[in-house]
Amino acid sequence: KAGVTQTPRYLIKTRGQQVTLSCSPISGHRSVSWYQQTPGQGLQFLFEYFSETQRNKGNFPGRFSGRQFSNSRSEMNVSTLELGDSALYLCASSFGGTGFSYEQYFGPGTRLTVT
Amino acid sequence: KQEVTQIPAALSVPEGENLVLNCSFTDSAIYNLQWFRQDPGKGLTSLLLIQSSQREQTSGRLNASLDKSSGRSTLYIAASQPGDSATYLCAVKGEGTSGSRLTFGEGTQLTVNP
Repeated sequence: KAGVTQTPRYLIKTRGQQVTLSCSPISGHRSVSWYQQTPGQGLQFLFEYFSETQRNKGNFPGRFSGRQFSNSRSEMNVSTLELGDSALYLCASSFGGTGFSYEQYFGPGTRLTVT
Repeated sequence: KQEVTQIPAALSVPEGENLVLNCSFTDSAIYNLQWFRQDPGKGLTSLLLIQSSQREQTSGRLNASLDKSSGRSTLYIAASQPGDSATYLCAVKGEGTSGSRLTFGEGTQLTVNP
């Protein structure tokens, strides 16, 4: 069974631009969560989508948004990029439904550098 | 607000040593606890998942225990190898919260010297 895939793996953007990251979950998983990882803040939860609906949201500004498609693939968008958005963005998938273990499986991440 | 702490922040040991990594959490109302491994610049690999009703889980040379009431978990690595060198993260999912949101510790950076 294929694991969680993320594209692109590396991205360099200029301050003020916007960026879209993509995540394909493990087949059969309906929940996709996004996390930001930086050396100073560690792993911070951005949001979670389940069955095309945002189920949880972390404490990030509105510039960070996401969506999920009917095939469970998810995209994350960051508008008006700031230097501080430079980070490793990780997505995780799980079955996500009641009665399941909620075990999370992570993708390889997208390394975003904002200059 | 749940807070997760991992001690020590870094650990260097000679090959073959048995070692223990510690994780503590402030709110004992957890649904489960998961241990991950992260190699530099890479994603997270799930090592062990312990449900709140369980006391421990084992996989190969790894054994994780959970004491929910005291807010602690330990990851025991037997007969460490250089290939075990990585950052180890623990994360908890809150009880009573819908969804898959995890709260992570800062990690323990492990170096196993040949």
